[in-house]
Amino acid sequence: DGGITQSPKYLFRKEGQNVTLSCEQNLNHDAMYWYRQDPGQGLRLIYYSQIVNDFQKGDIAEGYSVSREKKESFPLTVTSAQKNPTAFYLCASSLARVESTEAFFGQGTRLTVV
Amino acid sequence: AQSVTQPDIHITVSEGASLELRCNYSYGATPYLFWYVQSPGQGLQLLLKYFSGDTLVQGIKGFEAEFKRSQSSFNLRKPSVHWSDAAEYFCAVGESNQGGKLIFGQGTELSVKP
Repeated sequence: DGGITQSPKYLFRKEGQNVTLSCEQNLNHDAMYWYRQDPGQGLRLIYYSQIVNDFQKGDIAEGYSVSREKKESFPLTVTSAQKNPTAFYLCASSLARVESTEAFFGQGTRLTVV
Repeated sequence: AQSVTQPDIHITVSEGASLELRCNYSYGATPYLFWYVQSPGQGLQLLLKYFSGDTLVQGIKGFEAEFKRSQSSFNLRKPSVHWSDAAEYFCAVGESNQGGKLIFGQGTELSVKP
């Protein structure tokens, strides 16, 4: 079945450590996105990529980094510079530069920093 | 500034009753509008989308939404709510050819009474 796989589902890290969240898709989508979800704040865009080897900052990119070396993969690193990293992280993908397209979401990774 | 507002943080309805979830947007260009649903700890599932044409759009699970340009609204409706509809609902706005680059509302949590 085609879809988006995020791993792990739950992640615990000590404060000050970098951590990488995985996102893989087999939908043959060019575009991929990372969102952060906090209670009562909806989803906010961290980074997005419309093509391999290219990505852009979203609204809350500070303290995060990404790479896009393969079409299928868009890992997100939460660095020690992110002041409040505990959140639910959602990855999405879509067709790029196509009218009337929509996003498909993974099941999310809940990151807890202790 | 571009934004989406969902005025109701939490709504409770009785099973079998009708439902309307409100969504207002502020967007400089032609808005492309979406409603997503999220069960606890899960990813987002697309309910319906509006790009152009008929302003009343039908979605999955018996939901519909009406686009009203004059009121900058895109309210979600269902004539008869089922207990399984209890979830969080998100309204989002974006550009037509960037399906995943979205601005989300804060979400409305729906509870269903037996």
